[in-house]
Amino acid sequence: QKEVEQNSGPLSVPEGAIASLNCTYSDRGSQSFFWYRQYSGKSPELIMFIYSNGDKEDGRFTAQLNKASQYVSLLIRDSQPSDSATYLCAVDRGSTLGRLYFGRGTQLTVWP
Amino acid sequence: GAVVSQHPSRVICKSGTSVKIECRSLDFQATTMFWYRQFPKQSLMLMATSNEGSKATYEQGVEKDKFLINHASLTLSTLTVTSAHPEDSSFYICSAADVAETQYFGPGTRLLVL
Repeated sequence: QKEVEQNSGPLSVPEGAIASLNCTYSDRGSQSFFWYRQYSGKSPELIMFIYSNGDKEDGRFTAQLNKASQYVSLLIRDSQPSDSATYLCAVDRGSTLGRLYFGRGTQLTVWP
Repeated sequence: GAVVSQHPSRVICKSGTSVKIECRSLDFQATTMFWYRQFPKQSLMLMATSNEGSKATYEQGVEKDKFLINHASLTLSTLTVTSAHPEDSSFYICSAADVAETQYFGPGTRLLVL
């Protein structure tokens, strides 16, 4: 079983819709969870991090964490074409802060 | 915001040569930097953790004698790919952790070994 699993997509939504991205992880000791956005040919940029169960909102983005189910999600409201990218879920390795497992990413396309 | 730079952005080299990639945190001090590698359509794979003033910690399966890491200051870490071969061609990305241990990524270095 891979440490971090994401649906590779592609996920396609119309402009203005809600995009829902999901991620599951295997290490129950993980404490920190991150969502990064990566445009083609570029390095990842941090969107949000979440440490506690529940929801965390930042503008159009909401991260949701359920440690019991080992599940993290990212909701993007009012999706824009500029949101089209690959979204990477990252989970800390528990034993050493900063060392992250990354999922393969979900490719999102927002069409106008 | 936190800015991390990498140099060079692209490099093409001949098989058997060595290539050095620099990673700098421009507006903050980073005690810890990380080096990742990403092959096309694959996830980022952590290669090593670089700590200022001490030896790097390599992930399982990463050859420390092939991928030399030096973290000489709080703003600079270097990765040297020694005796590079075509299978080392990849996208190498560094990240630097701030005091809150949030990682910020550099723009990446695309290495092509002929």
